[in-house]
Amino acid sequence: GEDVEQSLFLSVREGDSSVINCTYTDSSSTYLYWYKQEPGAGLQLLTYIFSNMDMKQDQRLTVLLNKKDKHLSLRIADTQTGDSAIYFCAESLNNTDKLIFGTGTRLQVFP
Amino acid sequence: DVKVTQSSRYLVKRTGEKVFLECVQDMDHENMFWYRQDPGLGLRLIYFSYDVKMKEKGDIPEGYSVSREKKERFSLILESASTNQTSMYLCASSIAGDLFFGPGTRLTVL
Repeated sequence: GEDVEQSLFLSVREGDSSVINCTYTDSSSTYLYWYKQEPGAGLQLLTYIFSNMDMKQDQRLTVLLNKKDKHLSLRIADTQTGDSAIYFCAESLNNTDKLIFGTGTRLQVFP
Repeated sequence: DVKVTQSSRYLVKRTGEKVFLECVQDMDHENMFWYRQDPGLGLRLIYFSYDVKMKEKGDIPEGYSVSREKKERFSLILESASTNQTSMYLCASSIAGDLFFGPGTRLTVL
């Protein structure tokens, strides 16, 4: 079946850049997503990228997509303590609203 | 502002009890979803619905059922709760690929 994989933990110092990686399997996905889950809350859409793009930048966030390797990454510049959260990547199955989520990467930012 | 609400933030039930988890969205979305979230496993889809009275199984439907009698409400039912259903349950609604999540219900089955 479809599978989305992420590393479970990432720890960075405040002010450094964070890079969270994800690999996916459904090559027909039109959109790929990054969601953020803060402690005790549901998931919030952070950003997404259309599959015909290589890169998307939105303020401190940069999404890179390598379709050949089915690899997606999220870079957070100047990471702040408020960025501490779990980050999920997701792909849409058969271009529907049914999303397949990764395991989530817990980002911890320390001063 | 977009809103998805879930009936309880925390719930404690006993093995064998029937459990209802309610989810309501106020965005007139046709699509609604129930996921469970477990450490190291991410989110797994239990059931989803693309319209009123319509339901489809997700990846882990065993032990669960759902009800969608009205567009805004999607209920998850545990017919006979078991300890392995202790988890965080997340409801979502969507339009055009954007999922909006509720705050989650942390269910503990003793």
